[in-house]
Amino acid sequence: AQTVTQSQPEMSVQEAETVTLSCTYDTSESDYYLFWYKQPPSRQMILVIRQEAYKQQNATENRFSVNFQKAAKSFSLKISDSQLGDAAMYFCAYTGANNLFFGTGTRLTVIP
Amino acid sequence: DVKVTQSSRYLVKRTGEKVFLECVQDMDHENMFWYRQDPGLGLRLIYFSYDVKMKEKGDIPEGYSVSREKKERFSLILESASTNQTSMYLCASSLSGIRDTQYFGPGTRLTVL
Repeated sequence: AQTVTQSQPEMSVQEAETVTLSCTYDTSESDYYLFWYKQPPSRQMILVIRQEAYKQQNATENRFSVNFQKAAKSFSLKISDSQLGDAAMYFCAYTGANNLFFGTGTRLTVIP
Repeated sequence: DVKVTQSSRYLVKRTGEKVFLECVQDMDHENMFWYRQDPGLGLRLIYFSYDVKMKEKGDIPEGYSVSREKKERFSLILESASTNQTSMYLCASSLSGIRDTQYFGPGTRLTVL
């Protein structure tokens, strides 16, 4: 069965520093997509970054990048030059052929 | 910008009541989703719809039903609300399929007394 595990319920980072949020998943499929979504306090969830499993190159979006290790089934999110606005819940998500799973989330605190 | 709206931010209902949660998207998206979000459990998919009048069960459909009579509107129905359905409910839409980026609404925090 497919599952998504985020082993860090809470993380903190100093402003301007770099932080990495971990995500592992379990699947027997070879074709799937992975996502990181951000949910700021009292605000709507938005997409941070998306990775297609067949692409070997790691996705990047400005200060956000992923380390996609397909063999290890790992999909970590790196946030560089952390800003106060990065404080949020971050959810990792997996979608296969016809299923969709989210992790339990990591709450990121940014310390000024 | 895609806009997904939900009918209520906060809702308080009594056990046994029939509850309707409404979701509307304005970008002509094919797919719409209903999740519940609980602390320590993340988001769990209740139902999704890939077309008008079409629906698929997610991971936790028990106690819920859905309706999609128009493309832009997706309703979640609690036929007889129970206290264990107290939760945050999130609606989302995507242009094409479950592999596409989802756009989320602000959520409805439902309390069942």
